[in-house]
Amino acid sequence: DQQVKQNSPSLSVQEGRISILNCDYTNSMFDYFLWYKKYPAEGPTFLISISSIKDKNEDGRFTVFLNKSAKHLSLHIVPSQPGDSAVYFCAVPNSGGSNYKLTFGKGTLLTVNP
Amino acid sequence: NAGVTQTPKFQVLKTGQSMTLQCAQDMNHEYMSWYRQDPGMGLRLIHYSVGAGITDQGEVPNGYNVSRSTTEDFPLRLLSAAPSQTSVYFCASSPGTVYGYTFGSGTRLTVV
Repeated sequence: DQQVKQNSPSLSVQEGRISILNCDYTNSMFDYFLWYKKYPAEGPTFLISISSIKDKNEDGRFTVFLNKSAKHLSLHIVPSQPGDSAVYFCAVPNSGGSNYKLTFGKGTLLTVNP
Repeated sequence: NAGVTQTPKFQVLKTGQSMTLQCAQDMNHEYMSWYRQDPGMGLRLIHYSVGAGITDQGEVPNGYNVSRSTTEDFPLRLLSAAPSQTSVYFCASSPGTVYGYTFGSGTRLTVV
């Protein structure tokens, strides 16, 4: 059973508009949630995280929102830029708040059109 | 500071052959992991280690062995390669904070 689900395999937006990537999870005990970004032929890179005690975390153009009652988190990118085109993975740590064992969603391919 | 280094970047194996994917990190991270990425499947954990001498299985460990004799190195061994092991393999390390893993650039393996 998937612990994290990204139900949209792809998303296409215009440059300058908002990109919203979604992720649903099953276990209410997760302490942290992370987003990774991956370009082709490169390894994933850490983007942003949020603690389960918060409902929002912002870093520049990137904001992650957490809705614990709905077991849902979303990543907002505003404004979107062509360089944001990549695969985005949400991930959760599997053990006691430490993140040495991450479970990833299947990813969402974001394409930002000029 | 090289981060996480994976070798080789590309490899073609014949069914039944064995090989070792190398992974080294120079950040003194305690935690290291191996993931494979397949189309439509995301990243799946193969094996992980929480320190030298300590390893454990992840979600898809069958057909793979690991060892962790030093903090820096975490090789992944394919015992008898099968076409189902055709994938992109990523090694990653973490200091154990919430800021996530640092990934290598991957090894693209094809088994024919």
